[in-house]
Amino acid sequence: LAKTTQPISMDSYEGQEVNITCSHNNIATNDYITWYQQFPSQGPRFIIQGYKTKVTNEVASLFIPADRKSSTLSLPRVSLSDTAVYYCLVGLNYGGSQGNLIFGKGTKLSVKP
Amino acid sequence: NAGVMQNPRHLVRRRGQEARLRCSPMKGHSHVYWYRQLPEEGLKFMVYLQKENIIDESGMPKERFSAEFPKEGPSILRIQQVVRGDSAAYFCASSPSAGSSYNEQFFGPGTRLTVL
Repeated sequence: LAKTTQPISMDSYEGQEVNITCSHNNIATNDYITWYQQFPSQGPRFIIQGYKTKVTNEVASLFIPADRKSSTLSLPRVSLSDTAVYYCLVGLNYGGSQGNLIFGKGTKLSVKP
Repeated sequence: NAGVMQNPRHLVRRRGQEARLRCSPMKGHSHVYWYRQLPEEGLKFMVYLQKENIIDESGMPKERFSAEFPKEGPSILRIQQVVRGDSAAYFCASSPSAGSSYNEQFFGPGTRLTVL
């Protein structure tokens, strides 16, 4: 499974747009890119997943360039409650036996008033 | 529809005791995963189970750790003869049956194990 690299921490202010970029140079053809969010003392929560180009849901957007060697999670108009650790994961869209997710250290986002 | 449930939320054990962590997946989910998280670290995969079967235990320590997901009842992660290094947060996740469109896993709140 491809290794990911993302910034250890980021600071932002309420109302700003936050973009967190993740590098995954060794991504394989079948790999999907998934982002999870984790608040202190809670389990991670799925945010968004994509394969290429752009994906948008009610929470975030995910931008994936044509070479797929990186991806950017975009959080529009963050609030204090978006303070959390954000994990970028790359792995198989499985239907078989490969089930484990590989988490790096994530990006600790701190949103200030 | 209740989410993934884990109990206990906090567990304190002395060195040498046994720890049993329980996980009830979301209704209709037949795939369960266990992860361990040390402070300031990401989650580390331990084991992947389906009902009555261990599919992938490549992340499980070779000794003292075992997991099961019986036909009836919750999944159990068992740690025998705990040591201080076992102190961590243990998360359980579940997902729908194979064939779902993407690999979204739903996580429980975790069990925080402290070994004295």
